Amino acid sequence: DARVTQTPRHKVTEMGQEVTMRCQPILGHNTVFWYRQTMMQGLELLAYFRNRAPLDDSGMPKDRFSAEMPDATLATLKIQPSEPRDSAVYFCASGRAAGTGLYEQYFGPGTRLTVT
Amino acid sequence: AQTVTQSQPEMSVQEAETVTLSCTYDTSESDYYLFWYKQPPSRQMILVIRQEAYKQQNATENRFSVNFQKAAKSFSLKISDSQLGDAAMYFCAYRRFQGAQKLVFGQGTRLTINP
Repeated sequence: DARVTQTPRHKVTEMGQEVTMRCQPILGHNTVFWYRQTMMQGLELLAYFRNRAPLDDSGMPKDRFSAEMPDATLATLKIQPSEPRDSAVYFCASGRAAGTGLYEQYFGPGTRLTVT
Repeated sequence: AQTVTQSQPEMSVQEAETVTLSCTYDTSESDYYLFWYKQPPSRQMILVIRQEAYKQQNATENRFSVNFQKAAKSFSLKISDSQLGDAAMYFCAYRRFQGAQKLVFGQGTRLTINP
């Protein structure tokens, strides 16, 4: 049963600390998304990659957030320095792009981040 | 930019009854996808149903069906024979047919099932 995995599931950290979230997309999927869910903003896209290349990171605060795909099996989202307003659930999703576009996005279980 | 609106923050239904969740969207494109996702307390986002805008036939998945009205830009979800396990947040989402593949979500509707 293929699924997207995310680590850690929960993270509590103090303001100013670096936070790294990891995602393992489903094997064979070539598109990876990072979404953030908050009560105020709902679900919003932070960044996404196709074949490991960033295609859109316009939703990501560039001064403190960075997203990378070191290889096809790992995507990372880093926040440095973290702030209380970064507290949210961060979802990774993956999918396979083919033909006219991407067909399905499969979501991981999310990382709940709390910054105190 | 595309937007998705869910006007019902909360809904409730008696077990075994039918409930309809509303969703409207705004786009200038003619081809696109629409989705309903379910998010139970576990936080896992689960795809419930998908509709391609170029298909006139409404999508159906077991007890879940949609009423897709393209001209009105409306995409409602009907859940028949509601079960306790259907209790969750439900999100309507839009995705372009080509180009940017991100999902644009509505604010969600919290569905409660009363036994």
